[in-house]
Amino acid sequence: GEDVEQSLFLSVREGDSSVINCTYTDSSSTYLYWYKQEPGAGLQLLTYIFSNMDMKQDQRLTVLLNKKDKHLSLRIADTQTGDSAIYFCAESLNAYGGATNKLIFGTGTLLAVQP
Amino acid sequence: KAGVTQTPRYLIKTRGQQVTLSCSPISGHRSVSWYQQTPGQGLQFLFEYFSETQRNKGNFPGRFSGRQFSNSRSEMNVSTLELGDSALYLCASSEGSYTTSEQYFGPGTRLTVT
Repeated sequence: GEDVEQSLFLSVREGDSSVINCTYTDSSSTYLYWYKQEPGAGLQLLTYIFSNMDMKQDQRLTVLLNKKDKHLSLRIADTQTGDSAIYFCAESLNAYGGATNKLIFGTGTLLAVQP
Repeated sequence: KAGVTQTPRYLIKTRGQQVTLSCSPISGHRSVSWYQQTPGQGLQFLFEYFSETQRNKGNFPGRFSGRQFSNSRSEMNVSTLELGDSALYLCASSEGSYTTSEQYFGPGTRLTVT
C-alpha cells in the first residue's frame, strides 16, 4: 500500500538540532525526499536519498534511512528561525511495467523554531 | 536556469465554471506531474506526463484532465468546478524517462471556487 506518515508538529530552540521523522509502507520505493514549504509558497527540494543508501549528509542536513523499519529521518543541525516551515517527506514508486515520477507525500511536519 | 513556472498564480472561479492552469518545466526537463494540495487531504497526485503521453494518473474524477505539448509545457483543466476543488495546484518538473532523483516544484496556482 501507499502510506507515508509524519508527526504533525515539532518545536525547537534556535541553535538546537531538529529531527523530523517519517515512516513509509512501500518497500519498492526508489528515492525518498525531503521538501520544505514556507507559507504561501511551493515545495522546495531540500535533499533526497536513494533507497540503497543508509545516510546522506548535505551541509546542515543529515538524512538517515532504515529500510528494514521503513523509517526516514531528517536532522537539521544548528536550526535557525528561517528553518521554520512545513517539512514533507515523500517516496517515489516504481510502477509495474514502466517508470513513474509519482510521489507519495507524508502529511507534513510543522517545524517551529523559537528564538 | 529558470525554475518551474506556473500561471496564473491566483484564480477565483464560481461553481460550474471550468479552469485551465499552465505549467512550464525547467528547460530540458521532459516530465511534468501535477498535485493538488488541500488542508484536509494534503498533497495528492493528479497525473504525470512524459513526452506528451500521460504515464500515470491519480484517483481523481474525470473532470480533471491534462495534456503536455511538444515543448514539454503542460496544462491541466478542471471542468464543472465544485467548491471542494479549491486548492493549491502544484506542478513538478524532472528530467527524463526513468524514476529520477530530482523533482522540482513550481510556486503553485491557488484556485478558489465560490
